[in-house]
Amino acid sequence: QSVLTQPPSASGTPGQRVTISCSGSSSNIGSNYVYWYQQLPGTAPKLLIYRNNQRPSGVPDRFSGSKSGTSASLAISGLRSEDEADYYCAAWDDSLSGHWVFGGGTKLTVL
Amino acid sequence: QITLKESGPTLVKPTQTLTLTCTFSGFSLSTSGVGVGWIRQPPGKALEWLALIYWDDDKRYSPSLKSRLTITKDTSKNQVVLTMTNMDPVDTATYYCAHYDSSGYYDYWGQGTLVTVSS
Repeated sequence: QSVLTQPPSASGTPGQRVTISCSGSSSNIGSNYVYWYQQLPGTAPKLLIYRNNQRPSGVPDRFSGSKSGTSASLAISGLRSEDEADYYCAAWDDSLSGHWVFGGGTKLTVL
Repeated sequence: QITLKESGPTLVKPTQTLTLTCTFSGFSLSTSGVGVGWIRQPPGKALEWLALIYWDDDKRYSPSLKSRLTITKDTSKNQVVLTMTNMDPVDTATYYCAHYDSSGYYDYWGQGTLVTVSS
């Protein structure tokens, strides 16, 4: 059972906007940045969003992140078929000498 | 450019110790703020963070696996080694190593190596 809670699945049609939530606690999301990773089938995860809402170079601005309190969200606008992937949130957790925690992942299906 | 590659056994027996090596290029583990982490993913399941070693040899471990994990670095060889003792079938997973940027995220990942634990 993952420390960060994500919905197991999400879906949308091409062009739609979808959001994926990530819920944590005061020791992780509540006091540290949130990161989002995209994992396409059979590949390694790719950094999508860092420090809550920053995009690495090369990531389209269709992807955006936000954080409020102990929760965070990833939004994907103008949904495309190639966005079908697993999405994971992550954060540093200050408890127990400090460690990273990941969400359980959300499988995004483009209908 | 930064690249990382995991290597090690593809099959280990229960109770054995797993030793994985991450060989990297394009950065130095003596650069302030930099690190290398290990993350695993059981087949069809979520990512699970295991350990992180920083440029200054500071180490962090997953609390639930801390007693079984050891992470070390060899800066001269550009390698990071992860050992996990007392392997069990539930440890069957793809193991990834990743570059940890000084800004606080994993931005480059290896391709991963599948380790199966079975007698």
